[in-house]
Amino acid sequence: EVQLVQSGAEVKKPGESLRISCKGSGYSFTSYWISWVRQMPGKGLEWMGRIDPSDSYTNYSPSFQGHVTISADKSISTAYLQWSSLKASDTAMYYCARFAVGVVTYMDVWGKGTTVTVSS
Amino acid sequence: EIVLTQSPGTLSLSPGERATLSCRASQSVSSSYLAWYQQKPGQAPRLLIYGASSRATGIPDRFSGSGSGTDFTLTISRLEPEDFAVYYCQQYGSSRDTFGQGTKLEIK
Repeated sequence: EVQLVQSGAEVKKPGESLRISCKGSGYSFTSYWISWVRQMPGKGLEWMGRIDPSDSYTNYSPSFQGHVTISADKSISTAYLQWSSLKASDTAMYYCARFAVGVVTYMDVWGKGTTVTVSS
Repeated sequence: EIVLTQSPGTLSLSPGERATLSCRASQSVSSSYLAWYQQKPGQAPRLLIYGASSRATGIPDRFSGSGSGTDFTLTISRLEPEDFAVYYCQQYGSSRDTFGQGTKLEIK
């Protein structure tokens, strides 16, 4: 079964660092990109960025560039989203998704999400 | 940045009715790069349509997508109770993707 398994919920204080993970299984991890999507409470989906696990090439939304870092370790089929200094406004659900790039593009497999709560 | 504007924001319909959801882009989008997703409360989004008109695996044929250029449409021919959810369009850009703000489809 093709799946993305995300790490568990996190509760952090402002200024703390955090790394959440997304582990792929059931497919060739380096054949698809991984995208990260934020959903703030009660709001819509926001595309944050993506990574090609084969070479760790990344694209970022300008809204998130410089505030988060996307990385991947292809040896363990895992992608990461990390913050060096969290803000209360980072409180949200974060989804990873398998992203197919080719003649057509789509995000066809999604993780269940990681809830991040940042509060003093 | 390509902005996707979805309308209406909320659509109130009854089971059995036809739903038409719109996604308008601020500039032309390749049909190959336009997708639709469904999200139910407490769940991750699910891919419905890719390439503007191709159904994803396991998606019932009551869901269809159409459009080109700047105007795209998701149609649900006969609403089932499980179709009431939020729907998002999304476009791929070489350096940046964007989502529409979503259309909430609610039971009338």
